[in-house]
Amino acid sequence: DAKTTQPTSMDCAEGRAANLPCNHSTISGNEYVYWYRQIHSQGPQYIIHGLKNNETNEMASLIITEDRKSSTLILPHATLRDTAVYYCIVRVATGTYKYIFGTGTRLKVLA
Amino acid sequence: GAGVSQTPSNKVTEKGKYVELRCDPISGHTALYWYRQSLGQGPEFLIYFQGTGAADDSGLPNDRFFAVRPEGSVSTLKIQRTERGDSAVYLCASSPEGGASSYEQYFGPGTRLTVT
Repeated sequence: DAKTTQPTSMDCAEGRAANLPCNHSTISGNEYVYWYRQIHSQGPQYIIHGLKNNETNEMASLIITEDRKSSTLILPHATLRDTAVYYCIVRVATGTYKYIFGTGTRLKVLA
Repeated sequence: GAGVSQTPSNKVTEKGKYVELRCDPISGHTALYWYRQSLGQGPEFLIYFQGTGAADDSGLPNDRFFAVRPEGSVSTLKIQRTERGDSAVYLCASSPEGGASSYEQYFGPGTRLTVT
């Protein structure tokens, strides 16, 4: 079973920030939160990940709440090419380190 | 550098036939994962290799599915007696080391399998 819940879909105006929420209330202390996106007919693409602290890279920022039960992915200036399905994933911290995907959020960036 | 590649990109087969799907991971990556993605769903874990051995095959749906990685690089997912329910996109991912929990996985483009 997926360990995350996300809204099914969201719209965002081009040039504006896209804030994608994710709930992971059953996350364990040593499990990381990963974000991937999948553009139609392609494999998932890594965006960012974190454990406790907020993280930022050239693509996005990840804000994790202090209790780690939820997080938000922020795309600071969304473009049409950011239209994709965004997956919030809890990565198992022992053994296989496999990903458990949910159904993701379909983000549509509008011109 | 080269990413994860998968062949074929598309495979159409008849119900009951045997198929093989190939994954070429990023050079030097010791961890390899197979996932299956049905339409409208997120990818679902199938099997994980660390080196040549299958460290976790708990996601394989039944004994018709089998995967190998004999030399620790290329992997083949094998499906016997295919059924229409096996139709999906099969994704392969590799990672520098499965044992380091912070490494991300790099996904290939997938093989779309259609069983008629």
